[in-house]
Amino acid sequence: GAGVSQTPSNKVTEKGKYVELRCDPISGHTALYWYRQSLGQGPEFLIYFQGTGAADDSGLPNDRFFAVRPEGSVSTLKIQRTERGDSAVYLCASSPTVDSPLHFGNGTRLTVT
Amino acid sequence: KQEVTQIPAALSVPEGENLVLNCSFTDSAIYNLQWFRQDPGKGLTSLLLIQSSQREQTSGRLNASLDKSSGRSTLYIAASQPGDSATYLCAVSYTGANSKLTFGKGITLSVRP
Repeated sequence: GAGVSQTPSNKVTEKGKYVELRCDPISGHTALYWYRQSLGQGPEFLIYFQGTGAADDSGLPNDRFFAVRPEGSVSTLKIQRTERGDSAVYLCASSPTVDSPLHFGNGTRLTVT
Repeated sequence: KQEVTQIPAALSVPEGENLVLNCSFTDSAIYNLQWFRQDPGKGLTSLLLIQSSQREQTSGRLNASLDKSSGRSTLYIAASQPGDSATYLCAVSYTGANSKLTFGKGITLSVRP
């Protein structure tokens, strides 16, 4: 079956612009996670959804970052007024339950110029 | 601050060698520990998940052990193959299941034919 799909795979934007990153989880997975990975670093937790609600958004770095999952399936990570420091690979993962192993997508590489 | 450390950052071994990858964590009150594999430009693949009550997990040529009291985990790879070349990351959860993982920076393994 299909894995976790993230679009676009690459995004280049200018400083100050708004971007949206999309994640399509595996069908039926109720838990969805966003992580951010900078070069040479491990992934850093951003936010976790259980169904439609954000169960833990403590990893969002500031109020420029926001994520939604309105129907409990697809999720969108939104970044306002992008800064060069936002450049990273944004990874999405899903799992059938919160106790199951994670399934990661290939990520969206965001470059802010 | 909860930290996960993986040393060395890179490792190169000849094909066929048995090897051990180390992971240490500062806070022993973990919920579980996971090992992941990451290939260049790809997302993470879950290899093994060890619950805090367990001491080890095995899958094929991989064996992961957990010593909570000393804050350490090891990933043992038997009879290494060139296809094992990748970055291996460990991650711990403190708040319950997968909800918020803290990752190490990973160990980049190269298996020479």
